[in-house]
Amino acid sequence: GENVEQHPSTLSVQEGDSAVIKCTYSDSASNYFPWYKQELGKRPQLIIDIRSNVGEKKDQRIAVTLNKTAKHFSLHITETQPEDSAVYFCAAKGGGGNKLTFGTGTQLKVEL
Amino acid sequence: NAGVTQTPKFQVLKTGQSMTLQCAQDMNHNSMYWYRQDPGMGLRLIYYSASEGTTDKGEVPNGYNVSRLNKREFSLRLESAAPSQTSVYFCASSDASNQPQHFGDGTRLSIL
Repeated sequence: GENVEQHPSTLSVQEGDSAVIKCTYSDSASNYFPWYKQELGKRPQLIIDIRSNVGEKKDQRIAVTLNKTAKHFSLHITETQPEDSAVYFCAAKGGGGNKLTFGTGTQLKVEL
Repeated sequence: NAGVTQTPKFQVLKTGQSMTLQCAQDMNHNSMYWYRQDPGMGLRLIYYSASEGTTDKGEVPNGYNVSRLNKREFSLRLESAAPSQTSVYFCASSDASNQPQHFGDGTRLSIL
């Protein structure tokens, strides 16, 4: 089955700096890669997703890049703000299945 | 439009007791999922239902059973609760496996 690894597990940045979270996956047939944000005590919420037919997608301060050859994808947050502080999860859908496999999460802290 | 509704929000059980967690979605989604979330381990899939009438095991199905009652409802049952099942349980739904999943608010379950 699919295996997703996520790094780093914790990330601390200064307000206004950029943050990058990286994930690798094992199934070369994986075709859907969402990112979720989870604030403390709340539900995970989708912030951006990318499909295997594109290499990059951007939505305001958030962007995701996908490298299918290397089997890794990354989340980029620019001009970070305190409200970006949360746990971020990457996920991948394997080519032959109907489910997502999640990474173990990155705790992002944006410091003033 | 409530999205995904989970009941109860909190529950304390004694070892050996049984319980059913309820989940309902009003988005006419085909697929529904049950996850457990433990510190440092991300979201792990317990069971999922790709479409009404079908259910499949996820990564950690032991000790659980599920029922896809109809298109809207997907329940998770613990037949004989164990302390290792203390966790936060999330239900999610999506239109298809390569579409965004929408999560409920979670059920915080403690087993003594």
